[in-house]
Amino acid sequence: ETGVTQTPRHLVMGMTNKKSLKCEQHLGHNAMYWYKQSAKKPLELMFVYSLEERVENNSVPSRFSPECPNSSHLFLHLHTLQPEDSALYLCASSQEAGSEALSGGVKLFFGSGTQLSVL
Amino acid sequence: SQKIEQNSEALNIQEGKTATLTCNYTNYSPAYLQWYRQDPGRGPVFLLLIRENEKEKRKERLKVTFDTTLKQSLFHITASQPADSATYLCALGGNAGNMLTFGGGTRLMVKP
Repeated sequence: ETGVTQTPRHLVMGMTNKKSLKCEQHLGHNAMYWYKQSAKKPLELMFVYSLEERVENNSVPSRFSPECPNSSHLFLHLHTLQPEDSALYLCASSQEAGSEALSGGVKLFFGSGTQLSVL
Repeated sequence: SQKIEQNSEALNIQEGKTATLTCNYTNYSPAYLQWYRQDPGRGPVFLLLIRENEKEKRKERLKVTFDTTLKQSLFHITASQPADSATYLCALGGNAGNMLTFGGGTRLMVKP
C-alpha cells in the first residue's frame, strides 16, 4: 500500500444528498491534494493543501468543499452534485510542501480513490 | 493553451520486447517531468522524475528521456513482462506556481 488511505472506495449518491470523502496519510507528509479522474480524461487537480493551508483551488464548483483539519487528514464534502460529477476522486500527498513540491518537483503518493456515482 | 499528448490507443507488445511510450507537450516549459503507473481501480504509482537539465534517467528496467527541444519524453520498459500491463501517465511540472499537470495516459498490454 502507498500509505494513503481513502474511504469509502465506492459511493453512490443522489443529487440532493450530502456526503464526504475521507483521506488519511500515514507518511508524515506536509502537502495533500484532491484530484478528479473522469473516464477518458486526464487527472484534474482540484485542491491543494500545504501545511494545512489551501494554496490552490482550480476553479472548482462550490458544491465541492475541501477541509484539511491537520496534515494527516483531508476531506472533500459533497452536496447537490450533478451526474457529470461522477468520477474517480483521488487523494495524494507529498513530503515537501514548498514551491518546488507544489510545482511538480517531488513525487506524489496516491490513494486508491473513491469511485463516485451521482444518480 | 498548454497541452500534453499521450497516445490514447493501447500499445500491444510481446513479452520480452522493449515498450516505448511517448509524451509530447506544447506551449509548456516544464522544469520537471514525471511518469506514473496506474492499474484499473487504483491510484497512480510514481515511477520516475526527471528534471529539465537531465537528458536521461534509469531505474531497473525503466528508462526515461527528456528532450526539451523536441518537447518530448520517451518512457522505455526493457524485457517487458505481462505484469507491466497497465496505464502509464506522464505529468509535467513548471516553475513555482505551475502545478503538476497530467496527460491522458497510454495503456500498455504485454502479451505472453
